[in-house]
Amino acid sequence: EPEVTQTPSHQVTQMGQEVILRCVPISNHLYFYWYRQILGQKVEFLVSFYNNEISEKSEIFDDQFSVERPDGSNFTLKIRSTKLEDSAMYFCAGGRGAYQETQYFGPGTRLLVL
Amino acid sequence: GENVEQHPSTLSVQEGDSAVIKCTYSDSASNYFPWYKQELGKGPQLIIDIRSNVGEKKDQRIAVTLNKTAKHFSLHITETQPEDSAVYFCAADTTTGFQKLVFGTGTRLLVSP
Repeated sequence: EPEVTQTPSHQVTQMGQEVILRCVPISNHLYFYWYRQILGQKVEFLVSFYNNEISEKSEIFDDQFSVERPDGSNFTLKIRSTKLEDSAMYFCAGGRGAYQETQYFGPGTRLLVL
Repeated sequence: GENVEQHPSTLSVQEGDSAVIKCTYSDSASNYFPWYKQELGKGPQLIIDIRSNVGEKKDQRIAVTLNKTAKHFSLHITETQPEDSAVYFCAADTTTGFQKLVFGTGTRLLVSP
């Protein structure tokens, strides 16, 4: 059964550094999402992406964040200048449709900003 | 926007007992309600979902009920097993733009042998 994969599984970075989190969605999915989960808290929506464009973004997703799908398979989340409060688990998700469709989550990348 | 409340935050049961987790949502236009199981260090895994045209859905030991009038939905796990121990999240879709999920705060279920 195909799965969403994410790399790296863990990343430690210094405050102010850039990080890129990578995801390989399931091949027949068209809609892609990033969520984050601060330790012990609920999963929060960051951004949705379709047809090489951002569809919607939350207030968390400020100018320091960007997403792209550079080669039709990888889906990346970039944080340009990390802050301490960016420390969280970041999940990539994907689905085949836009409405009432299952979203399949990857295993996550644990980001620690020091 | 949509807000999802989930109770209880922790639930301890004996193996073989039933477990019930309840969620309420605020946006009456929401139509899709998935439940995810998250094991330690892993991503959320869909275990069951329900759409607004259905009041109840069952898959083996797991069932979900939806009351759209009252804006609440519940997860029922029967004959619990130790491997059911995990954090369970309910979620609801939103009606703005493409589907995004709004999650509840999670329930930590512990099933003791």
